[in-house]
Formats: sequence, C-alpha cells, structure tokens
Amino acid sequence: QVQLVEYGGGLVKPGGSLRLSCAASGFSFSDYYMHWVRQAPGKGLEWVSYISSSGAAMYYADSVKGRFTISRDNAKNSLYLQMSSLRADDTAVYYCVRGRESDYWGQGTLVTVSS
Amino acid sequence: SYVLTQALSVSVAPGRTASITCGGNNIGTKSVHWYQQKPGQAPVLVISYDSDRPSGIPERFSGSKSGNTATLTISRVEAGDEADYYCQVWDSSSDHVVFGGGTKLTVL
Repeated sequence: QVQLVEYGGGLVKPGGSLRLSCAASGFSFSDYYMHWVRQAPGKGLEWVSYISSSGAAMYYADSVKGRFTISRDNAKNSLYLQMSSLRADDTAVYYCVRGRESDYWGQGTLVTVSS
Repeated sequence: SYVLTQALSVSVAPGRTASITCGGNNIGTKSVHWYQQKPGQAPVLVISYDSDRPSGIPERFSGSKSGNTATLTISRVEAGDEADYYCQVWDSSSDHVVFGGGTKLTVL
C-alpha cells in the first residue's frame, strides 16, 4: 500500500533552517510528481512546492520562493524540502503529497518557528 | 494569481443532500480535485478530475462543473461526513497548485 512518511519537523528560531524528508513506499516513486502542502494551525491548505518525476522541474508558491528548495532522490524513494530564512508564518503542518491529483498524503510533520 | 472561492460553511440535516461549491475563472478548462479533511487527520481525495471517485469513496460523493463553478455533492449525508472540504486545481498559466479556502460541512 502507498505510504508517505514525513519527518524532520520541529521547533526552530526565526531566521533558522530546517530540512524535511518524506519516505515513500508502495508505489513507483520515480513515476510521480510530488508536492509539499502545508497547513497553518486552524487554517486551510496552502500549496508550497512541487517537483516533477525526474526532478528537472520545480515550482514554488510565491510565499516561499527563494527561501525553500524542493528536491528528490528517486534511488532512495525520498522527497525533501530545505527551508531557510524561516519566519513565524511558516509555522504549519507540512504534508508530503503524491501526484498531480494529490491522491495520497502523509500524516504531516509540524514545523514551529518561534523564538 | 488564480483564486478559488468556497463558502466558509454549509449545514445539512442527516439524510439530505449537501452541495459544496468552488468558484474560479474559467474553471471549466481546469481539472478540479476535492478533498475531505477531518479534525487531526490528513486530507483524503474524494473526487479527482472533476467527477472521478477514487476506490473506497462511497457513491454518495459526486462531482460536477458548470460555467465558472465546480460542485461537490454529497447525497444521503451522514454524521461521519462532517469535515472540511477543499477544492484544488492546477493553474497551468503559473504552474502553481491552487486550493480553495475550504468549506466546513456541519451535519445538524
């Protein structure tokens, strides 16, 4: 069965950095676009970034462009999100999501940006 | 940037039909996906590509589009359907994924 497991979240100070990882299993990872989607406490879903199946194309929401970098390692069935210059409004649960139609979601990892 | 508009809340009695709408300019040219999110849980895809129902989703869930509006319809609503519902599209002009603001479905 398809599984997406995120890890790497935690408490970080404003201006700090954090790297999220997502371990994928149960499907051919290299065949799928992958996304990161976040949800601030009590708020709606916000798309963060996506990466094509080969890793050649990457796109970012305006709110994170220039601060976050998405990447993948198809040999390791893993998706990453390198986050830098973190701000309080980056505080959210970050979900790893499969495919253009976002058909499978991980359980999310909480990132808290606070001094 | 592309915007999807959803009502903040919809209320419906058990056994009745709930309609949750998602408005967007030229949404007819885009594929719309719908997600259900219950408190403390990750979203679940309930309708893909406007009207396709993934395996395991009850037939009570259906999707449609007309003009600048997409609609998620839940027939014979049950207490367990109470959740937040989000629509999503891919905006090819910006290569961005866009979510609606979400609609909270309350079962009376």
